[in-house]
Amino acid sequence: DVKVTQSSRYLVKRTGEKVFLECVQDMDHENMFWYRQDPGLGLRLIYFSYDVKMKEKGDIPEGYSVSREKKERFSLILESASTNQTSMYLCASSLWDNNEQFFGPGTRLTVL
Amino acid sequence: QKEVEQNSGPLSVPEGAIASLNCTYSDRVSQSFFWYRQYSGKSPELIMSIYSNGDKEDGRFTAQLNKASQYVSLLIRDSQPSDSATYLCAVKAGTYKYIFGTGTRLKVLA
Repeated sequence: DVKVTQSSRYLVKRTGEKVFLECVQDMDHENMFWYRQDPGLGLRLIYFSYDVKMKEKGDIPEGYSVSREKKERFSLILESASTNQTSMYLCASSLWDNNEQFFGPGTRLTVL
Repeated sequence: QKEVEQNSGPLSVPEGAIASLNCTYSDRVSQSFFWYRQYSGKSPELIMSIYSNGDKEDGRFTAQLNKASQYVSLLIRDSQPSDSATYLCAVKAGTYKYIFGTGTRLKVLA
């Protein structure tokens, strides 16, 4: 079974803090994605990566950056957390030639 | 206009009945379609993927795709209270772009 893990299930941070969210997958997937999910807005893509050190902006990249130094790990960084970044953050991965995405358990981030 | 539309529900069905969940999409070139189940507070879990017109069955689940009508549906037979969740429809609209609907909340009444 595909396993995607995320570093924290719940996180509380203060405005202005730098926040790191980590995602690890154990199935040698090439593609990795970061989404945020908000009520009424569905899942929105922040960034994705199709290979080590490769990254592409999604629909809402402002205020975020990412890092992929190893194939299995994809990190999302909030450079200076703001209250409007309070959300559920979901990591997903997929094989390069397979359309199916598999999600991690999510991190519910609250920025105070 | 939303690119993937779902009725938000809740859709209430009695236990043992067939639940029918619907999704329409606007991008005519989309080739891959997915249904995810999401329990409250949890992450989406892939149930079905479908790529060709027609029906695809997996256990109690049947996905139906009609590309001409830009319509994809999910049928859940013999619905159980444990099926109560939000069901997300997703459409792959590019090499790496997936568009998700906002989900239909299903309630199966015991």
